Amino acid sequence: GIQVEQSPPDLILQEGANSTLRCNFSDSVNNLQWFHQNPWGQLINLFYIPSGTKQNGRLSATTVATERYSLLYISSSQTTDSGVYFCAEGIQGGSEKLVFGKGTKLTVNP
Amino acid sequence: KAGVTQTPRYLIKTRGQQVTLSCSPISGHRSVSWYQQTPGQGLQFLFEYFSETQRNKGNFPGRFSGRQFSNSRSEMNVSTLELGDSALYLCASSLDPVNTEAFFGQGTRLTVV
Repeated sequence: GIQVEQSPPDLILQEGANSTLRCNFSDSVNNLQWFHQNPWGQLINLFYIPSGTKQNGRLSATTVATERYSLLYISSSQTTDSGVYFCAEGIQGGSEKLVFGKGTKLTVNP
Repeated sequence: KAGVTQTPRYLIKTRGQQVTLSCSPISGHRSVSWYQQTPGQGLQFLFEYFSETQRNKGNFPGRFSGRQFSNSRSEMNVSTLELGDSALYLCASSLDPVNTEAFFGQGTRLTVV
C-alpha cells in the first residue's frame, strides 16, 4: 500500500533557527499536502504541492515528484511554529483519500 | 467564506452506546472524507462521500458508518462504542473526488468511558 514517511520524528530548535522537514512517499503522487496541527487538533493547510516549489512567508516547500520526496522549510522559527507537522499523499482514484505520515513534532524554545 | 464545521467539539460516551458526528463542508465542496486520529495509529482514513454515495472506506469495522445529504453535509456514526474508539475525529472537504486538496474542520474529540 501507499506509505508516507516523515523525518525527523522530533525536532527541537531555538527561536530564530531554520529547519527542514522531509516527507518520502511511495507512489506517484497526485496530491501532496503539508499541514500544521494546532494545539486544539485542527489541521491547518500549509501547502498543496504535488510538484515544484511554493513559498508563504517564512515557510516554503518543494516536492520532487520523480524522486518521491517533499521538503518543508521553516526559516527564522518562532515559538508559535511549535506543533506537529504532517504531510499527506493523495492518490486520485485511490482507495484512500489521503494517506498521512506520522508527523514531525517541532518544539521551538524561546 | 466559512470553513469546515464539525459538531460537537467534544463528546463523552459510555461503552456500548452509539454516537453521531456531523460535518458541514466548505460551500461548493461536494466531497467529504473522515479520519480518525489516535496516539498509537496516527491519522487513518475512515471513508469518503460524494454525491450522497460512499466512494471508499478504510480498514475499520462495520460499526463505523456514515452518510451524506443532498446539501453535502455528512454524518458519521459509531455504534456499540469501545474504549479504543476514543480519538479525535477529523472531517475534510474537497471540491470533488478528483480534486484531492483537502481542508479540515476543528475535529470532534470523542472519549469513551
